[in-house]
Amino acid sequence: GQQVMQIPQYQHVQEGEDFTTYCNSSTTLSNIQWYKQRPGGHPVFLIQLVKSGEVKKQKRLTFQFGEAKKNSSLHITATQTTDVGTYFCAGPKDSNYQLIWGAGTKLIIKP
Amino acid sequence: DGGITQSPKYLFRKEGQNVTLSCEQNLNHDAMYWYRQDPGQGLRLIYYSQIVNDFQKGDIAEGYSVSREKKESFPLTVTSAQKNPTAFYLCASTGQGHRKLFFGEGSRLTVL
Repeated sequence: GQQVMQIPQYQHVQEGEDFTTYCNSSTTLSNIQWYKQRPGGHPVFLIQLVKSGEVKKQKRLTFQFGEAKKNSSLHITATQTTDVGTYFCAGPKDSNYQLIWGAGTKLIIKP
Repeated sequence: DGGITQSPKYLFRKEGQNVTLSCEQNLNHDAMYWYRQDPGQGLRLIYYSQIVNDFQKGDIAEGYSVSREKKESFPLTVTSAQKNPTAFYLCASTGQGHRKLFFGEGSRLTVL
């Protein structure tokens, strides 16, 4: 069945270092969404990418959607403590009313 | 303010008891969803509803039931048939024309 794989599962960084999470779908996606979940909180929508090769920026966050619309990445430049949390990617299932979720990448800032 | 309200935030139950988790939205959204999240895991879909009086099973519907009698409300019942109900339950909704999900703050269920 349709799957969305996300790596790595965890990433430990020093504050100020960069962070990247990667998302790969087994099928071509019409769009891909990214969410952030703070510890103990609920997922919050960050962005949706729709076009092949699309790149969008939100301050220190850069989102990319692959040319084949099967992979995506989120890159955070110069991480801050406020970036801590788990980042999820999600793509629509065939019906388009459901999303298939990656397992998430947990960003941990080393003390 | 518009949003999704889930209650209770924390719930403890004994084995063999049914519990109902409430989810109310005032966003005028048509579609509503229930997800389950286990520690360190992603989100798994339990049930979803696209319109009033209609709902579909997600990937892990066994041991759960829902109703959608009003557009604003989508309660989830965790029945005694659910073998491992301890988890974080998230309700979400989305409107027409976009599939961005809005989540409630979640309900944390612990079975004693």
